[in-house]
Amino acid sequence: EAQVTQNPRYLITVTGKKLTVTCSQNMNHEYMSWYRQDPGLGLRQIYYSMNVEVTDKGDVPEGYKVSRKEKRNFPLILESPSPNQTSLYFCASSRQDPSFSEQYFGPGTRLTVT
Amino acid sequence: EDQVTQSPEALRLQEGESSSLNCSYTVSGLRGLFWYRQDPGKGPEFLFTLYSAGEEKEKERLKATLTKKESFLHITAPKPEDSATYLCAFCPYGGSQGNLIFGKGTKLSVKP
Repeated sequence: EAQVTQNPRYLITVTGKKLTVTCSQNMNHEYMSWYRQDPGLGLRQIYYSMNVEVTDKGDVPEGYKVSRKEKRNFPLILESPSPNQTSLYFCASSRQDPSFSEQYFGPGTRLTVT
Repeated sequence: EDQVTQSPEALRLQEGESSSLNCSYTVSGLRGLFWYRQDPGKGPEFLFTLYSAGEEKEKERLKATLTKKESFLHITAPKPEDSATYLCAFCPYGGSQGNLIFGKGTKLSVKP
């Protein structure tokens, strides 16, 4: 089954404790993105990747890191999480540039930073 | 600043009562405009892509249309299973490759 998986689905952590949210897709897609979704603000892009070792900032990249060492995986790293990073996070992938191509979204990771 | 505005924020319909959702954008041109559906607790699911003014696409009870400044998602004779939040997104000309701007969504509730 074609899908995007994220782990963990739920995470409660404390300020400053480094964490990684994993994302994997099995569709051999070139593009992958991370979004956060907050009430009243909608979906905002954090980072995206056009291919292995190629990443670029989205609209809200501060406080986040990403890497794309393999085509299928695109982890999101929070080196020192803060309460304002409490949010619902989605990973997405697409066959080509998402400006022209549908994206497939993962199920989401709900992160709470206390 | 490139912006997308969706209206209304919430819409309650009776089953069978047709209506339209609006997505307006303030850019001189766009590469593509997308509609997604999002169910509670799930990731968005792709519905349509529109590229040029005058274009229309249909899927079951949904039809998306595009003009130079806005897009409409028409829902004909909706059913309770159409209840969801509908998101529009676009990438403007001159925008970074891969960078999509999403609206805040319209939450649709269809009562039986």
